[in-house]
Amino acid sequence: AQTVTQSQPEMSVQEAETVTLSCTYDTSESDYYLFWYKQPPSRQMILVIRQEAYKQQNATENRFSVNFQKAAKSFSLKISDSQLGDAAMYFCAYRVQGGSEKLVFGKGTKLTVNP
Amino acid sequence: GAVVSQHPSRVICKSGTSVKIECRSLDFQATTMFWYRQFPKQSLMLMATSNEGSKATYEQGVEKDKFLINHASLTLSTLTVTSAHPEDSSFYICSALDPGVNTEAFFGQGTRLTVV
Repeated sequence: AQTVTQSQPEMSVQEAETVTLSCTYDTSESDYYLFWYKQPPSRQMILVIRQEAYKQQNATENRFSVNFQKAAKSFSLKISDSQLGDAAMYFCAYRVQGGSEKLVFGKGTKLTVNP
Repeated sequence: GAVVSQHPSRVICKSGTSVKIECRSLDFQATTMFWYRQFPKQSLMLMATSNEGSKATYEQGVEKDKFLINHASLTLSTLTVTSAHPEDSSFYICSALDPGVNTEAFFGQGTRLTVV
């Protein structure tokens, strides 16, 4: 079964600094998607960034970028120029391509941004 | 992006009663919707996959008769918690796949259920 592991229950960063959230996963599939979701206090799930496993290039969305290491099954999220609004729970998620389409979530990392 | 609306956002019900939660895709047709449960400070736990026009697929350990899922149209899935008990109190979230944007799931706002 596929599993997603986030080893950092909590992280903190100073405003304007950079922080990296870790995620590893286990799968025997070759085609899949990886996601980072943000859940602020409102609890609305917001997609931050996604990565297709077949793409070697790391995905980037403005201040958010990933370091995707397929062989190592690692998918870390880097947040640059951190802002107070980035404070939230961050969940790493996996979905196999062409399968049941369900997402498998990690346990989450709570990010605190200090002014 | 696509919009998924979940209603109600909060509900309080008495033990032994049933409560229905609706999940609607507002601007796309969703053949597949998912229902999650989230305990405080924990991750999302998939309860079931809801397929339009067919029976839902429940995850292991989820009681089918307690958590009734109906996906009668391409834009609406409902979760009914039957004979609710205080231990059913939780945050329930739905999501839907937009076939036109197949890589991304869109989430509802969630429903906080409190059973007293």
